[in-house]
Amino acid sequence: DAGVIQSPRHEVTEMGQEVTLRCKPISGHNSLFWYRQTMMRGLELLIYFNNNVPIDDSGMPEDRFSAKMPNASFSTLKIQPSEPRDSAVYFCASSLQGGAEPQHFGDGTRLSIL
Amino acid sequence: DQQVKQNSPSLSVQEGRISILNCDYTNSMFDYFLWYKKYPAEGPTFLISISSIKDKNEDGRFTVFLNKSAKHLSLHIVPSQPGDSAVYFCAAFSREGAQKLVFGQGTRLTINP
Repeated sequence: DAGVIQSPRHEVTEMGQEVTLRCKPISGHNSLFWYRQTMMRGLELLIYFNNNVPIDDSGMPEDRFSAKMPNASFSTLKIQPSEPRDSAVYFCASSLQGGAEPQHFGDGTRLSIL
Repeated sequence: DQQVKQNSPSLSVQEGRISILNCDYTNSMFDYFLWYKKYPAEGPTFLISISSIKDKNEDGRFTVFLNKSAKHLSLHIVPSQPGDSAVYFCAAFSREGAQKLVFGQGTRLTINP
């Protein structure tokens, strides 16, 4: 069974550039989550979707960040323009119905902004 | 404002002994708690959970204890094995309000042979 698939696994780019992270959730899962992990703040939720609709984006740090889920099998997290402080590991996760149900995480995208 | 706290960044335990990982929370509205395990370069994987109506849940070598009055939970691993070496995250959820998982900072567990 395929798990949550994220791409790319690593991204190194210069500040000011646009960065797009991609996620394919587990088939049949209705909820999708984007997290960011840093040393300072740990694992923090950025945004989550239920049935492709954004439910809570209060964790999105600022307007430079945007996320979309055009269909049930694909989501993107975009940073434009990127800044060095955006450097982190970004995880995508999905679950069957959201709520307290255990989430299945992808292996993350390690993002470095120079 | 850290609602879920894992005060020990790291823990080292001898193989075969018991590992105890601790987690404290401040929000009394949390009613469901989960533990995740994370290996390097991989995403977290779900380990075990407990509802606030229980004080203990056991799954093989893993047991989670919940003390609601102290707002404290712990994960016990018995016996500890080298493959248990990983970072362990505690997470909490409230069915009221935001309805999203709040994670602790994680504890790095090292099992020594």
